Amino acid sequence: SQQGEEDPQALSIQEGENATMNCSYKTSINNLQWYRQNSGRGLVHLILIRSNEREKHSGRLRVTLDTSKKSSSLLITASRAADTASYFCATDYVNDMRFGAGTRLTVKP
Amino acid sequence: DAGITQSPRHKVTETGTPVTLRCHQTENHRYMYWYRQDPGHGLRLIHYSYGVKDTDKGEVSDGYSVSRSKTEDFLLTLESATSSQTSVYFCATRVGDSNQPQHFGDGTRLSIL
Repeated sequence: SQQGEEDPQALSIQEGENATMNCSYKTSINNLQWYRQNSGRGLVHLILIRSNEREKHSGRLRVTLDTSKKSSSLLITASRAADTASYFCATDYVNDMRFGAGTRLTVKP
Repeated sequence: DAGITQSPRHKVTETGTPVTLRCHQTENHRYMYWYRQDPGHGLRLIHYSYGVKDTDKGEVSDGYSVSRSKTEDFLLTLESATSSQTSVYFCATRVGDSNQPQHFGDGTRLSIL
């Protein structure tokens, strides 16, 4: 069964706007990771946040983690058409990584 | 580019035939994984390996077997393919076992008729 569940399932925005995706999970984690997948390609790692961290930044990406609520969010600022992709959260505990079904982001030029 | 090559990239076969998918890595990562991706399910772990000849089952291992005779190669075998195994299969590697990202290949699209 899935561990992480993303919300919304699909998101459509205009170029330059911010995009926020949320992830909820159910059990203990060592870390939570976000990945991007372009159509027909494999997943590409974006950012990893450990269970003892609350916020992490990487370029235009900002990830937050609230272990008390078992939730995480991914914010992409100043979005570009090239950000169009599916985004997945994955919870990691020992050697058991579980992926959600993803959020499909469309950025219109 | 994580140095992961999956072969074949596409395959169509018939129910009941054996199928082997290959994952080859050039990064000398210890851990290797096989996932399947189906609409609405995200990625689900089939099997993983933590070293040569060391493998373990994942969430959806029934109907699949794996082998790892060399660090760089991880094979996934469907002994007798069924239509429910039609999916996109991804191989991934990781340097260590935790707090590190996984690196993915571009997948094998497998159709079983």
